[in-house]
This record gives sequence, C-alpha cells and structure tokens, in this order.
Amino acid sequence: QQQVKQSPQSLIVQKGGISIINCAYENTAFDYFPWYQQFPGKGPALLIAIRPDVSEKKEGRFTISFNKSAKQFSLHIMDSQPGDSATYFCAATDSWGKFQFGAGTQVVVTP
Amino acid sequence: GAGVSQSPSNKVTEKGKDVELRCDPISGHTALYWYRQSLGQGLEFLIYFQGNSAPDKSGLPSDRFSAERTGGSVSTLTIQRTQQEDSAVYLCASSLLQGHNSPLHFGNGTRLTVT
Repeated sequence: QQQVKQSPQSLIVQKGGISIINCAYENTAFDYFPWYQQFPGKGPALLIAIRPDVSEKKEGRFTISFNKSAKQFSLHIMDSQPGDSATYFCAATDSWGKFQFGAGTQVVVTP
Repeated sequence: GAGVSQSPSNKVTEKGKDVELRCDPISGHTALYWYRQSLGQGLEFLIYFQGNSAPDKSGLPSDRFSAERTGGSVSTLTIQRTQQEDSAVYLCASSLLQGHNSPLHFGNGTRLTVT
C-alpha cells in the first residue's frame, strides 16, 4: 500500500512553461515533505522540502504548495528548462524517519 | 566532501547465486537506508538503520534479503539465491539525524542484473 500517491506519471512541457506535480498522503503523522530530482544513472538528490506549518516555499524556479487540510502538496517548476528534464519524487516522513516515496513523475521539457 | 558511495556500480549475476552490495555512508551520518528501484518505478523501502537501534526490516521482500551495518558505518545488503525479479537498482541513502530533521543523501546505486 503506497502511503504517498503521486501524479501524473509523466508530463511533457515546452521550454518556458510550468510543470506541476501533485502528491497526496494519508498519514497525519507525516511532518516533513521533501522533493527529490533524479537524473538517469544517478541517485535522487534533494530539491526542496517543506514542513506543514507553512503553505508555500519557493527556491528559485521551484515552489512547493502545501494544503494540510487536504493532505496534499505539489511541486511547481516555473519557466521550465531542458535541464529540468528528470524524474521527480515526492516523499514524506515523520519523526521516526522512515521516508515514504511517491512513484515518481518523469518530466520532459522540449526545446 | 565525499558523498554516499556504493559498490559495485553494476553487478551481473546468474540466477541462484548470492550477491553482496556495499554502501559507505557520509561520515558521521547516523541513519542509513536501502531502497530498491525497478526500471521506471518508484523507490521501494527495504531496510532502515538508526544508530544502535534495531533496524526496521519491514520492507525486505523475502528472507533471501538481509542487511547489516558494521560499526555504525558501512552497510552490506545481501541477496541469497538471486532471482530474475531481483533485477533492479539498489540505492543506499544516509542522513545526519533521525527523521524529519535531516534530508536523505543518496548514492548512485548498484544496478543488479540477474540472468
């Protein structure tokens, strides 16, 4: 049973467009929500993370929006670039530290 | 500084053989995780070590899988009597502290192919 559900499975966006990836969770004990970016042949790398006491966090072109009542969070990639083409994973964990990952979204940014 | 190191980077083995995968975490990191990633799939949790606590083995798919962490540092994931369905990328990650105060740092994985 997947504790973090991620959608879409894949998306194609034109250069300069906005990429949006959504995640939902059930476990209310989760209190840390990171996003990871993975390029082929590499391990995932932390991109940005949020805690549930804030509704939005922005770092450069990447923004996390968090809706605690709906138990949903999303990643927005603004002004998408070909170098952003990668697989993105959302994740969640609680104080125990067992990270649960979404199934991943493959993003392709066309020139 | 050095990141999480995994070896070998690639391993091809015959069905029925045993394999050992090694992970060197970032120095000083107390938590260590193993995940499995099948082609085009997400990250499947396998096992989690935190300091001197008993490991969380709840993700190990069968008793053919085992892992140990010696001296709170290096970890070895062992798969006995490998099967073709074991073919995947095995990722190791470490974090400085337990839980939500520390992000995971991943290695580049070991790609296991069982023929």
